[in-house]
Amino acid sequence: DVKVTQSSRYLVKRTGEKVFLECVQDMDHENMFWYRQDPGLGLRLIYFSYDVKMKEKGDIPEGYSVSREKKERFSLILESASTNQTSMYLCASSIGSLREQYFGPGTRLTVT
Amino acid sequence: GENVEQHPSTLSVQEGDSAVIKCTYSDSASNYFPWYKQELGKRPQLIIDIRSNVGEKKDQRIAVTLNKTAKHFSLHITETQPEDSAVYFCAASISGATNKLIFGTGTLLAVQP
Repeated sequence: DVKVTQSSRYLVKRTGEKVFLECVQDMDHENMFWYRQDPGLGLRLIYFSYDVKMKEKGDIPEGYSVSREKKERFSLILESASTNQTSMYLCASSIGSLREQYFGPGTRLTVT
Repeated sequence: GENVEQHPSTLSVQEGDSAVIKCTYSDSASNYFPWYKQELGKRPQLIIDIRSNVGEKKDQRIAVTLNKTAKHFSLHITETQPEDSAVYFCAASISGATNKLIFGTGTLLAVQP
């Protein structure tokens, strides 16, 4: 069974703080993704990575950065958290192209 | 840019009835169309997918149809059960970016017992 885990289920941070969200997958998948889920907006891609140290911007990369130093781990970084980044963040991984994406449980981030 | 429109946003059916969710995509080169189900408080999970060389695919009570000419695809659930209640997301691959999907905005399906 593919397992995708995220470092926190719930997180509360203050405006201006630097925030790290971590995702780990245990199936040697090449591709990893960070999405943001907001009511009425569906899942929007922030960044994805197709290999170690490789990354590509998604649809809403502003205010975010990512790091992939090891194949199994993909980190999302909010350099200076703002209230409009309050959201549910979902990590996913997949093997190859046009294949099933396996999602983590999500991190609900609140920025006050 | 690429876009996927999904309708309806909410759908309420009686147990045993059928449910249909429709999506329209903008990128004519899209060739992979998955559907994900997200139960309340849980992670999205793939329930069925279809590729552009196929017009229809069925798996027990669920089926997906694809009309490439019209650029739309639909999810059909027959004999609905309360455990089908969830949010359903359609998605389409983005041409030239084989690993990226663009998702629809989701449909909340409520199956009334």
